[in-house]
Amino acid sequence: DSGVTQTPKHLITATGQRVTLRCSPRSGDLSVYWYQQSLDQGLQFLIQYYNGEERAKGNILERFSAQQFPDLHSELNLSSLELGDSALYFCASSVASGRQETQYFGPGTRLLVL
Amino acid sequence: AQSVTQLGSHVSVSEGALVLLRCNYSSSVPPYLFWYVQYPNQGLQLLLKYTTGATLVKGINGFEAEFKKSETSFHLTKPSAHMSDAAEYFCAVSPGNQFYFGTGTSLTVIP
Repeated sequence: DSGVTQTPKHLITATGQRVTLRCSPRSGDLSVYWYQQSLDQGLQFLIQYYNGEERAKGNILERFSAQQFPDLHSELNLSSLELGDSALYFCASSVASGRQETQYFGPGTRLLVL
Repeated sequence: AQSVTQLGSHVSVSEGALVLLRCNYSSSVPPYLFWYVQYPNQGLQLLLKYTTGATLVKGINGFEAEFKKSETSFHLTKPSAHMSDAAEYFCAVSPGNQFYFGTGTSLTVIP
């Protein structure tokens, strides 16, 4: 158990809908990262937040957005969902924001768009 | 452009045999390099990482990797495979604030 929690574990929705994925980092960790893992795209870095501020942005679509709240939990919002958005979404956390930091991954949220 | 190439999407070894998983990278700046392991239905777990200093890095579960700048490689090895090593392994590079992952290598250990 990494100490990172993600809810829900599974999510089934329809095209065009909007969903919110939630991540609680390990106690004391200030950075949160979001990743998408799909069969065709592999593991893609989406975005990083550090202490409430966006720190780095990867291959995140404009239909997707994220934020980190004062209590340090983070939410990833996916809107206008398409079939291709079906994937496993991971959250990770680390103590600080540097690239040398060890990231601890949550168990993921599996999203299925029908 | 940054990228990570993992040669061999599937590798099979016998229990007790050497494990060698290959990773090559391209980076415009000195990279930080990582190996992660993913067990079925679980998140990723860091095996080891190279940031600076000694190029031979030792990680958990008996794994190690060597950073070879001249070959732009960061291959993962373990002297003796165990059944519990069967998993998906990902190499990753961080040239800056972003992270780039390889496509993964699925390791099968044959008893």
